[in-house]
Amino acid sequence: QQPVQSPQAVILREGEDAVINCSSSKALYSVHWYRQKHGEAPVFLMILLKGGEQKGHDKISASFNEKKQQSSLYLTASQLSYSGTYFCGTERQTGANNLFFGTGTRLTVIP
Amino acid sequence: SAVISQKPSRDICQRGTSLTIQCQVDSQVTMMFWYRQQPGQSLTLIATANQGSEATYESGFVIDKFPISRPNLTFSTLTVSNMSPEDSSIYLCSVLGQGSTNEKLFFGSGTQLSVL
Repeated sequence: QQPVQSPQAVILREGEDAVINCSSSKALYSVHWYRQKHGEAPVFLMILLKGGEQKGHDKISASFNEKKQQSSLYLTASQLSYSGTYFCGTERQTGANNLFFGTGTRLTVIP
Repeated sequence: SAVISQKPSRDICQRGTSLTIQCQVDSQVTMMFWYRQQPGQSLTLIATANQGSEATYESGFVIDKFPISRPNLTFSTLTVSNMSPEDSSIYLCSVLGQGSTNEKLFFGSGTQLSVL
């Protein structure tokens, strides 16, 4: 079953923070995060491989709670360039690399 | 990183016809994937295409409807057969990076298909 993301959509002003959640009813072996801008292909943001892992670069970070089968993406001090649709992706089995993407979260940052 | 060229970028087709989408990668890659994305929706995995073996299809997708070829490590095609308006969607090919990028998927720019 497809991972469920929340919220479905969010509007932020520049400089505000946001959290995007990804929940799965099945065991998560890894969690991938991608961003897709309108009319463009998805672009890789980061991958979390282990439960409890946290990662980040610039002002975007993520955490992975393996027990709860959840991951969260944190965007701090948002910029206009953060606008787009964010997808989490999960594998059905470790190392399969065939990602099943979540329902998506549309993020809009306004001046 | 991998650079992917996908053709055509868009097409309008008649019901009952077939369309073949090409995906060319600038480097050799082991794993390629085909996704479908309805406007405003998430990406749905159609199949995994590995060179030298039959494609592996996900639930709801069958080889007769979506035959895939993978003749070498840089090229793949997806055919949408006997099309109906329900097949209208964006089709994306994707590859798993190699070496230091082997955890990332790289995507082509997509083929926007409209079936009348």
